[in-house]
Amino acid sequence: KNEVEQSPQNLTAQEGEFITINCSYSVGISALHWLQQHPGGGIVSLFMLSSGKKKHGRLIATINIQEKHSSLHITASHPRDSAVYICAVAYRGSTLGRLYFGRGTQLTVWP
Amino acid sequence: EPEVTQTPSHQVTQMGQEVILRCVPISNHLYFYWYRQILGQKVEFLVSFYNNEISEKSEIFDDQFSVERPDGSNFTLKIRSTKLEDSAMYFCASSLGGWNEQFFGPGTRLTVL
Repeated sequence: KNEVEQSPQNLTAQEGEFITINCSYSVGISALHWLQQHPGGGIVSLFMLSSGKKKHGRLIATINIQEKHSSLHITASHPRDSAVYICAVAYRGSTLGRLYFGRGTQLTVWP
Repeated sequence: EPEVTQTPSHQVTQMGQEVILRCVPISNHLYFYWYRQILGQKVEFLVSFYNNEISEKSEIFDDQFSVERPDGSNFTLKIRSTKLEDSAMYFCASSLGGWNEQFFGPGTRLTVL
C-alpha cells in the first residue's frame, strides 16, 4: 500500500547532461519530498511539494498528482551532483510528518 | 543557518548494552523524528514526537526503544539492549509543523558487535 518506487536505481552521466529521476507512489499524498544523501551519509532536503513545480538553481522538481508521479531534473549536471537522490512521501491520512522512502537513485556524474 | 546536530557521529557498542543517541533539533521546531537506515537499504521511519509525546511509532520501534526530550533542547533515542540488527545509521529530523519540510541531522552510525 505505501510503496514508493524510484527509477532508475543507478544513473551515470557526463558533466553537462540533463538528468531525470522518477518517483511513483501508490495512494494519495499530502506532500512529496526530494532528498539528497551525500557519500558520507548526511541527508539534505531539496524540495517539498504537493502540486506543480519548484525550481532551485539547476534543480527542478515536478509532481503530477493524478498520475501519482514526480520527477527530479538536474540541468547542466556537475560531478558535485554525484549523490543518492531519495524520494519520500507523506501519505494523506497518515500521522503528521511520517515519511515513506524510496530506495534512492545513485547518480554519478563524470567530468 | 540553523541546523540539526547529532552526537556522537559514530557509536560502537557490545550486544546487550544500552545506547543513547542525542539530537539537538532546530530551536523553534515543534515536530521531531527518528529514522534509521541499515547499510544498503532505504531509510525507515521509527518514531515521531510532538508536544512531549510520541505521535506515531513504526513496527520497528518496539519496547527496546524509547525517546525523550529531557530539557527542551535535546531529543534522545535510547535503545535499551542492543542487538546486532540495530546496527544502522540513525537520523534525527525536525520540522516547524507536521506538514512542513523536515531538516535532517548528519546521522549517528551505530555499530553493534
